[in-house]
Order: sequence, then C-alpha cells, then structure tokens
Amino acid sequence: DIQMTQSPSSLSASVGDRVTITCRASHNINNHLHWYQQKPGKAPNLLISAASSLQSGVPSRFSGSGSGTDFSLTISNLQPEDFAIYYCQQGHSSPLTFGGGAKVEIK
Amino acid sequence: QVQLQESGPGLVKPSETLSLTCTVSGVSMRGSWWNWVRHPPGKGLEWIGSISSTGRTDYNPSLKSRLTISVDISENQFSLKLTSVTAEDTAIYYCARDPPATGSSEFDQWGQGSLVTVSS
Repeated sequence: DIQMTQSPSSLSASVGDRVTITCRASHNINNHLHWYQQKPGKAPNLLISAASSLQSGVPSRFSGSGSGTDFSLTISNLQPEDFAIYYCQQGHSSPLTFGGGAKVEIK
Repeated sequence: QVQLQESGPGLVKPSETLSLTCTVSGVSMRGSWWNWVRHPPGKGLEWIGSISSTGRTDYNPSLKSRLTISVDISENQFSLKLTSVTAEDTAIYYCARDPPATGSSEFDQWGQGSLVTVSS
C-alpha cells in the first residue's frame, strides 16, 4: 500500500494568513494526488485534483503543487470559511489511501 | 445536479452484516466507478472499495474477505455488504463517485454520509 503522510497534523492561523500543508507519498505517484476539505458534519469536498487542478467553484486562493512523492496545498489570504480539515489522497494505485488530515484552526 | 444518498440501518449488532445502499441521481452511472469510503470516529478516512458500472470490483485488501459491493444500474444504485462486523467497523460511511476519463482515481461527488454503529 502507498502510505500518505501529511504535515503538520494541525496548525493555528489568522484570517489573512498564508498557510501550507504538505503531503508525502511512500512511493512515486506522479501527479495522482488530490486534496479535500472537510468541515464538521459534512462530507469531504474535492478542492484540487491531479496535484494542481482547481475544481470548478473553488476559490483561487487555494493552490496545489508537487509531483512524484512530495506535494503541497497552499491557502493564501485565509478566510473564516477555510477553517477545516484538509486531506490528501493518492489515486495512483489500489488500495486508494488518504493522508491523516491537517486541521486548520483559528488562532 | 448530481446527488448521492446513502441508506441503511444505523445500528448493527456485532458479528452481523452491515448493509448500505447508495442511490444516485442527476447523472448516469455508466462510465464511472462508484466507491465506499468510511470515517471511523477519531480516525482518518479509509477507502473501502469500488465498483464499475459494468460490475467490476476493486476492494481494499484489509476488508476484502468480508466485503461485497454490487451495482444495479436499472435502479441507479450500488450497495455495500460487510460481514462479521465488530466495534472497529463503527464509522460514518460515505458513497462517492470517481468520475470518468480523468486518468486517476478521485472522488468528486459524495453522499452526506451514514453513521453506522456496531453495538449489541
């Protein structure tokens, strides 16, 4: 199985900050890396697919980068509605696996 | 718009079978893979398995011996059966779509989730 490791597992930030979450795969997954946002009581929501492709309707302050084994999600100008848990997921090979999540909290 | 809706019992006894159905509306099931993902309390997301519109399946090896996923295109539904459940199977269960023709496997549409508790 491909292990996905996210860091940090949690962070505190203020509105307007720029935050970066990283995700490392245990094997080369090319660009088969996807990012989700999950808010309490809701299903995960796909933000970015294929490492850097922003889904329709997702604000441009979200961006993704990386290839191979190292990836990152950046939120510039953090907004109140961005406080949530963020998960990465590899779509390269079965079994599909998720990172452990990164909780973005209000400072 | 695309909607997925899970249905099934919220409480299952240990050693019994957990059964859930996902009803899909607003999109054809053909061409996509249809998935189950679960979220145990206090833990991360776990992919359970998937089924294509033609009935091909792909299961997580950690659950494979207890798992059956089936599809009924005529009813726009796919289903999950997990046998011999224990408290470790307590989780929110989501159904989700892996869209066609992306070259990868991701989940662009999700149900709202169904909490299943395993308890006597």
